[in-house]
Amino acid sequence: EVKLVESGGGVVRPGGSLRLSCTASGFIFDDYDMNWVRQVPGKGLEWVSRITWTGSTRYSDSVRGRFTVSRDEAEKAVYLQMDTLGAEDSAVYFCARDNLDTNLKIYYGLDVWGLGTTVIVAS
Amino acid sequence: VLTQSPVTLSLSAGATASMSCRASQTVWQSYLAWYQQKPGQAPRLLIFDTHNRATGIPARFSATGSGTHFILTIRDLEPGDSAFYYCQQRGDRSTFGPGTRLEIK
Repeated sequence: EVKLVESGGGVVRPGGSLRLSCTASGFIFDDYDMNWVRQVPGKGLEWVSRITWTGSTRYSDSVRGRFTVSRDEAEKAVYLQMDTLGAEDSAVYFCARDNLDTNLKIYYGLDVWGLGTTVIVAS
Repeated sequence: VLTQSPVTLSLSAGATASMSCRASQTVWQSYLAWYQQKPGQAPRLLIFDTHNRATGIPARFSATGSGTHFILTIRDLEPGDSAFYYCQQRGDRSTFGPGTRLEIK
């Protein structure tokens, strides 16, 4: 079964740090780009970050300089290190597989999602 | 930036829903996808690469578009189609539209 499981969410004080993890199973992790997407309860989806299968990273303007995405092929995991957290970072954080075939020029979408992990930034 | 309209769509079962996604600039390679999200659940991929249905998505769901304008159409609406629908573009950085809420009366 193709699966993503996020962990690491919790309550943290403003200015604090948190590290989220996403563990993959059921597919060849090395072959795929991975994304983090967040959602404030009751609001829409916000793309946060991407790490490609080659290790290249991209961030949204709202988190660049504060968040760092990384991956560990041996662990089949992707991580999101979140620093200098503010109340605006409180959200459910989803990990999603990003399926792009650059040779065929076909974008298969964010085709696998985890259930999410909740981050609350509060004093 | 992606904008979606309408914000809310309220239709009867059996009707056809049509919702729009507009981009502020041409979507690179038409790398655009649509997702359905129900309360308390993760998003589910509906459409990839502008017009292709994802695995297990019924033919009632269709999509088209190019450049800066994309449309998702759902025929023969069922109560289970009540959800939020988001478009997403896959550029150098990805973005989501703000979503359309579909209510089935």
